[in-house]
Amino acid sequence: SAVISQKPSRDICQRGTSLTIQCQVDSQVTMMFWYRQQPGQSLTLIATANQGSEATYESGFVIDKFPISRPNLTFSTLTVSNMSPEDSSIYLCSVDERAYNEQFFGPGTRLTVL
Amino acid sequence: AQSVTQPDIHITVSEGASLELRCNYSYGATPYLFWYVQSPGQGLQLLLKYFSGDTLVQGIKGFEAEFKRSQSSFNLRKPSVHWSDAAEYFCAVGTTSGTYKYIFGTGTRLKVLA
Repeated sequence: SAVISQKPSRDICQRGTSLTIQCQVDSQVTMMFWYRQQPGQSLTLIATANQGSEATYESGFVIDKFPISRPNLTFSTLTVSNMSPEDSSIYLCSVDERAYNEQFFGPGTRLTVL
Repeated sequence: AQSVTQPDIHITVSEGASLELRCNYSYGATPYLFWYVQSPGQGLQLLLKYFSGDTLVQGIKGFEAEFKRSQSSFNLRKPSVHWSDAAEYFCAVGTTSGTYKYIFGTGTRLKVLA
């Protein structure tokens, strides 16, 4: 199974600033996903990040607010732009290991916006 | 619309008692079904998955789940709960048509009494 790391593990940011979260996988994967988990809530898919193409965003999420990069098959970044306290969440990346037909999740990035 | 419902937000059981967590889904095609566990401060760990075949699937940590197509359910069970099972449990559907992605339920928080 894939081993996924995320940086930073947590951060406290001021409103109006931006934070870029990195997701690194120890093997090449086709599909990577970014999720948001607001306090006490379930996981909500933000977007699917495919290498070599634009990310596909879910309803309610836009590229200007959550730009995503996927420069290669082992790495992706999610930027949370112009942050407000409502963006305080855990952000998780996951990868789809089609050989296993399941998603493996990173440890998450806990973001607090003041 | 595709959705996953976990009717029980909180469940409390005594250590050693049996456990059943409910999951109902709405999906037009045959879904892939998953149960994940999230311990406090931890990432998501896959407990078990169902794709096809035997409707009773065994997972890690002594968990099992049964797929009932007629009831659109995929309930998670454990015959004897351990204190270390206290966590948040998420049921998820993996879409098998169109863009492959997960839809998560709202989660059930399990508390175990000593």
